[in-house]
Amino acid sequence: NAGVMQNPRHLVRRRGQEARLRCSPVKGHSHVYWYRQLPEEGLKFMVYLQKENIIDESGMPKERFSAEFPKEGPSILRIQQVVRGDSAAYFCASSPPRRQGYNSPLHFGNGTRLTVT
Amino acid sequence: RKEVEQDPGPFNVPEGATVAFNCTYSNSASQSFFWYRQDCRKEPKLLMSVYSSGNEDGRFTAQLNRASQYISLLIRDSKLSDSATYLCVVIVGTGGGNKLTFGTGTQLKVEL
Repeated sequence: NAGVMQNPRHLVRRRGQEARLRCSPVKGHSHVYWYRQLPEEGLKFMVYLQKENIIDESGMPKERFSAEFPKEGPSILRIQQVVRGDSAAYFCASSPPRRQGYNSPLHFGNGTRLTVT
Repeated sequence: RKEVEQDPGPFNVPEGATVAFNCTYSNSASQSFFWYRQDCRKEPKLLMSVYSSGNEDGRFTAQLNRASQYISLLIRDSKLSDSATYLCVVIVGTGGGNKLTFGTGTQLKVEL
């Protein structure tokens, strides 16, 4: 069974360009989570999505960042007009539909390293 | 105050040593607790869940103290391959999805 797949592994963008990061969840998983890790910092929650719905985007910057998880295809994290401060590792995780009252750990993809020049 | 606090280290220990990491969390509504391991420039990987009764997995022992809002990880007989950053992770509540809150990690270096 394939785990969470992220691509590209490395992405280089010039300031002002757009970055698109893709995350294919584990087969059968309908929930996706995006996290960002800035250099020398911990992982920070960005957004939690179910198919076609954003459930929690409390960690997303208000401007330039958006995320989607369409009915078909991977989840996309989109960063418009990138700036140097967006350089980071972006990790995605997926989970099956939750059982109410039960928390399970997440298993992450190998990440996309974005470098803005 | 950070939601999850850890001593960043680094902890430099000789091979075979026993080392312990501590972590405190601020939200008393935290319900689930985990230790993850992250190797340099790689994704975090689940090491073990942490239960109130304490739990052990080989050389690793995790403890949870809800009253003090404190989690620990003990590694016995350290191996060179244990060198990594250890991340303390909590989930607050049970109704908001599996949203993990990470500490910034404790770096361990095991040396010959």
